[in-house]
Amino acid sequence: AIQMTQSPSSLSASVGDRVTITCRASQGIRNDLGWYQQKPGKAPNLLIYAASSLQSGVPSRFSGSGSGTDFTLTISSLQPEDFATYYCLQDYNYPRTFGQGTKVEIK
Amino acid sequence: QVQLQESGPGLVKPSETLSLTCTVSGGSVSSSSYYWGWIRQPPGKGLEWVGSMYYSGTTYYNPSLKSRVTVSADTSKNQFSLKLSSVTAADTAVYYCARERDLEWEYGMDVWGQGTTVTVSS
Repeated sequence: AIQMTQSPSSLSASVGDRVTITCRASQGIRNDLGWYQQKPGKAPNLLIYAASSLQSGVPSRFSGSGSGTDFTLTISSLQPEDFATYYCLQDYNYPRTFGQGTKVEIK
Repeated sequence: QVQLQESGPGLVKPSETLSLTCTVSGGSVSSSSYYWGWIRQPPGKGLEWVGSMYYSGTTYYNPSLKSRVTVSADTSKNQFSLKLSSVTAADTAVYYCARERDLEWEYGMDVWGQGTTVTVSS
């Protein structure tokens, strides 16, 4: 199974900050990667698919980049509603595998 | 728009079989453009993919659960289900059903149920 390693596991940031989360795959996965946001007690929400495509309805401050093994999720200007946990998920093959998550907290 | 709703017992005894159903509304589980899957999240932990199925009946399972898990569909009810046998306390989690797109240029798990908590305890 492909292993997905996210970093950092948590971070503290202020409203307005630029935030970057990375995800590394244990083997090349082309651009077959999605990013999900999860708030406490809620189901995950798709933000980015195919590494860099913005899901409909998601604010443009979210962006994704990367291909092969290294990927990045960037929030250009952190908003109060963005404090949550973020996961990457590879959909290159089965079994699907998630990163361990990055919790974004208020500084 | 498409909505998913999980249902099933919230408490299962050790060694028994966990059975959950996901009802699809606003769409069809028979559609050729989507996979239908289950993801779980143990208390305080991250997300774990459990298994998925395609409309053709093709199934994919997490190797760590493969011998215990079955995902299947009831097209007459527009539902798909999860069965996990011989459960232990380690199977205690919130279980989500989700739709995964297999469209040209669009991918990802774009629709999720709200999740259902299953506790394994005697």
